[in-house]
Amino acid sequence: GESVGLHLPTLSVQEGDNSIINCAYSNSASDYFIWYKQESGKGPQFIIDIRSNMDKRQGQRVTVLLNKTVKHLSLQIAATQPGDSAVYFCAEKLSGNTPLVFGKGTRLSVIA
Amino acid sequence: KAGVTQTPRYLIKTRGQQVTLSCSPISGHRSVSWYQQTPGQGLQFLFEYFSETQRNKGNFPGRFSGRQFSNSRSEMNVSTLELGDSALYLCASSTRTSGGGSGELFFGEGSRLTVL
Repeated sequence: GESVGLHLPTLSVQEGDNSIINCAYSNSASDYFIWYKQESGKGPQFIIDIRSNMDKRQGQRVTVLLNKTVKHLSLQIAATQPGDSAVYFCAEKLSGNTPLVFGKGTRLSVIA
Repeated sequence: KAGVTQTPRYLIKTRGQQVTLSCSPISGHRSVSWYQQTPGQGLQFLFEYFSETQRNKGNFPGRFSGRQFSNSRSEMNVSTLELGDSALYLCASSTRTSGGGSGELFFGEGSRLTVL
């Protein structure tokens, strides 16, 4: 069945450093991946997504890398700021009428 | 454009009771999904509705049910509440079409249910 997991449950970084949050997925047929950020007391908020025909996609201060060979997804945050402190979730999806399947999340703490 | 609205935001129930949660999607969004979020299990998919039809269902017992109205608003119901049903229930809407497809989910703030 589908499963999405995370390598590290918590991550602490110094303000200004780059952060890398990793995610493993098990279903090689997944064709869409997405990262969400969830701040305390709020619902998840979209960060960036990537389709399986790409291996890299960049946004504002964020980059998602997809390695289909080892079924690995990562989120890189450049110049991490205190406002980046949150729980980050990766999610995967098969094509068609299928739901997004979420990983358990990684808590990112930014040390000022 | 208003975001996804969920009501109530917080509620406390006792075991054996039932609860109904409401979700108003973003205007124009016809797909509504529900997720249960707990510290131990993360976000678990409950169900997805499109045009008043349930088109996906997660691995939850029959005590969990939902529906969608013609205006795309959705409700979910949990009957015979158990302690383990305490969670944050998140609703999300999207622009997914009848064929499914990808695209981000827009989440509401959630309804936090505590079962005593």
